[in-house]
Amino acid sequence: EVQLVESGGVVVQPGGSVRLSCAASGFAFENNMMHWVRQAPGKGLEWVSLISWDGGSIFYADSVKGRFTISRDNSKNSLYLQMNSLRTEDTALYYCAKDSNEYYFDHWGQGTLVTVSA
Amino acid sequence: DIRMTQSPSTLSAAVGDRVTITCRASQSISRWLAWYQQKPGKAPKVLIYRASNLESGVPSRFSGSGSETEFTLTISSLQPDDFATYYCQHYNTYSRTFGQGTKVEIK
Repeated sequence: EVQLVESGGVVVQPGGSVRLSCAASGFAFENNMMHWVRQAPGKGLEWVSLISWDGGSIFYADSVKGRFTISRDNSKNSLYLQMNSLRTEDTALYYCAKDSNEYYFDHWGQGTLVTVSA
Repeated sequence: DIRMTQSPSTLSAAVGDRVTITCRASQSISRWLAWYQQKPGKAPKVLIYRASNLESGVPSRFSGSGSETEFTLTISSLQPDDFATYYCQHYNTYSRTFGQGTKVEIK
């Protein structure tokens, strides 16, 4: 059974930094592209970033480019998101999502909440 | 950047109704579109991929159609478990873009 478990959510002040983690199990993590997707309270879904199976291709949404860094450790079956220079508009539930072979998201974690507030 | 626009934003329907949700892309995306269902407090779940392919385990009352810039998600006979928010999503090799969502409410 595929499992994705996010952690690291916290309350942080504007300008601060947070590192999110996603522990994956139940599938060949090293073979799959992975993503972060976020959802602000009461709002819709927003794709944040993707990383290819080997970390060789990385892309970001314009809203986080230059502030967030996605990475992975295939030896630990783990995905990460380093979030710097946080803004109040970054407040959201952050989901880790597995990419299918057809480029859509076929599994999601339960999310971890990041609140940016003074 | 490609923008995805869903309509309506909210839809009121009764159990047994046929429901259609539309998603329009700002430029042609071929058939690179997925549909997701999200219930309150839960992660989204994929229903349809590549515009019209039903994900394994998804009830056959869900169907998708369309290509290029206009797509539809149809629920042939709305069930109590189907009251939720639905999102379309465009995907390519370097990004993913969601529509703003359609909330299906009980009439």
